[in-house]
Amino acid sequence: GAVVSQHPSWVICKSGTSVKIECRSLDFQATTMFWYRQFPKQSLMLMATSNEGSKATYEQGVEKDKFLINHASLTLSTLTVTSAHPEDSSFYICSATLRTGNEQFFGPGTRLTVL
Amino acid sequence: GQQLNQSPQSMFIQEGEDVSMNCTSSSIFNTWLWYKQDPGEGPVLLIALYKAGELTSNGRLTAQFGITRKDSFLNISASIPSDVGIYFCAGRPGNQFYFGTGTSLTVIP
Repeated sequence: GAVVSQHPSWVICKSGTSVKIECRSLDFQATTMFWYRQFPKQSLMLMATSNEGSKATYEQGVEKDKFLINHASLTLSTLTVTSAHPEDSSFYICSATLRTGNEQFFGPGTRLTVL
Repeated sequence: GQQLNQSPQSMFIQEGEDVSMNCTSSSIFNTWLWYKQDPGEGPVLLIALYKAGELTSNGRLTAQFGITRKDSFLNISASIPSDVGIYFCAGRPGNQFYFGTGTSLTVIP
């Protein structure tokens, strides 16, 4: 139980294009999902907290107009990187919590490379 | 956001040796979690702890919720090559999760 999937697992795009990453909780309903960014050999950096049916809460320094988050249902949250640039290249990971909220379950991550 | 102090930063050990790592925080936590991350993948939950003093095992892994509620320990006994990866602690003082900086483990056959 508590499986989280992400799609795509990797994506390469041209600078200036937008990329959408999906995060799904497969066997549970997730009222809260989190989006992280991870640079090589570093820890997870929280970008935003996404609650179903409401606007995401962004961490300081994260541009909400650049990283659009939509949490339309209890099993799906999307992250759209708008007008991507090479510096946006990174490993993006989502996670979801059960209703109890005691544990986070992570997706497998999406490797984004912007040329 | 806030990060926990996790140590050591990296470890190189011989196969069969035991491993210990720990995390400390400046505030009291009500939950401690330990994750393992393999290269190019998302973190996988290993052990969850909810009470001060709690000691929980998952196979060769054992984790403890510190009595002060400001620290947690993870031990791996009789390490094997597949234990290689980055181990992260995570904790919650309230609703928000905080993550450690990670411990990179290398097991030498």
